[in-house]
Order: sequence, then C-alpha cells, then structure tokens
Amino acid sequence: TQLLEQSPQFLSIQEGENLTVYCNSSSVFSSLQWYRQEPGEGPVLLVTVVTGGEVKKLKRLTFQFGDARKDSSLHITAAQPGDTGLYLCAGAGGSNYKLTFGKGTLLTVNP
Amino acid sequence: KAGVTQTPRYLIKTRGQQVTLSCSPISGHRSVSWYQQTPGQGLQFLFEYFSETQRNKGNFPGRFSGRQFSNSRSEMNVSTLELGDSALYLCASSLFRAETQYFGPGTRLTVL
Repeated sequence: TQLLEQSPQFLSIQEGENLTVYCNSSSVFSSLQWYRQEPGEGPVLLVTVVTGGEVKKLKRLTFQFGDARKDSSLHITAAQPGDTGLYLCAGAGGSNYKLTFGKGTLLTVNP
Repeated sequence: KAGVTQTPRYLIKTRGQQVTLSCSPISGHRSVSWYQQTPGQGLQFLFEYFSETQRNKGNFPGRFSGRQFSNSRSEMNVSTLELGDSALYLCASSLFRAETQYFGPGTRLTVL
C-alpha cells in the first residue's frame, strides 16, 4: 500500500513569511500532483511533476520532485492571505491510475 | 470549457436510506474517479470508471457502488446509509486514464 505523509499538518504564519510543505513516501511514484482546496470546494490542481529532480514554479510557489521520485516539496515565498487553504499532495503509480493522497497541510496566512 | 459538475451540492439523509450522487466530467474526459473526504481519513479513493467499466476499486464495502454512462457521466450510489458515511464526496475527471485529475466541487452528504 502506497502512503504519502505530509508535514506539517497545520501551519499558521504572518503575511510576507516564507514556508515549505513536505510530502514523503517510501514508495516511488510515476508522477505527483499538488492541489489546493478551500472550505466546501473541491481540490484545484496546482501542478504535476513527473521527472525526478524536476522543479516547477508557479508565481510565488516552487514545487520540487525528489530525485528518487519518492518525495516532493512546496515552497511559498512571501505568503499572502489568498494562499490560505488545504494543500494536498497526491501520487500516482504505474499502470494504476488511482491517486494516493496525503492528509494535507492546512495553511493559514494572517494579514 | 466547463469544469466538473456535481449534483446535488448538499444532501441530508437518515440512517438506512440510500443516496445517488451525480457527476458530469469535463467535456471530452472519459475517466471519472470518486473519492470520499473526511476530516479524520482525508481523501480516500472509492472507484474509477473508464469507458463505462469500473477499472479500479478502493477498500470500501459493497454498499458503495457506481456506474458510468456512454456520455461519460457517472453516478455513485450508497445504500443502507450509516452515520460514518457523512463526508464530502468528490468526483474527478481526466482525459483518458491520465494521472492528472480535475475535481468537481463535491457533494456534502450528512447522515442523521
């Protein structure tokens, strides 16, 4: 069974601070997705990373896929209140298109 | 392009009843997956449908079932509802059986 562990589970910071969220597993994934979810809504896809060592940037968000494709990180620079939400990582493996989700990091950015 | 739509958005049922939830995928997407989200367990995979056939199934009891129609729309059914079935049920679609999935807003089911 593939498991993804996210840390930290909760994060409360002030506007302008930087933060990093981690997603770790003992399993290898063929790709990994990051989603952000707001209360009462479905997750919204932020990025998909597929190559070990890959780095993708989305404005102030930087996503990295580990060299061994077992872990990933999300770094936010100069966080803003609009970044508040639940950040979820999800891994996919091989011919099984089922996504395995981490339990998420609930980020609160205070003005 | 319209996103994934789910109906109804909110539902209140009592124990023992059954419920049917509906999902319309993004136009052109042929794969639909269903997930259950609860505060304690997070997002858990229910099943995936592609070309009207169930391709994957998660570890849920047989009370949870689904189907997909020829236009790729999907429904999931939960029979003999239990209190623990209260959750946000999410549908996600993808082009063919791609690993990147796009989610709908979910159906919030409350079982009393």
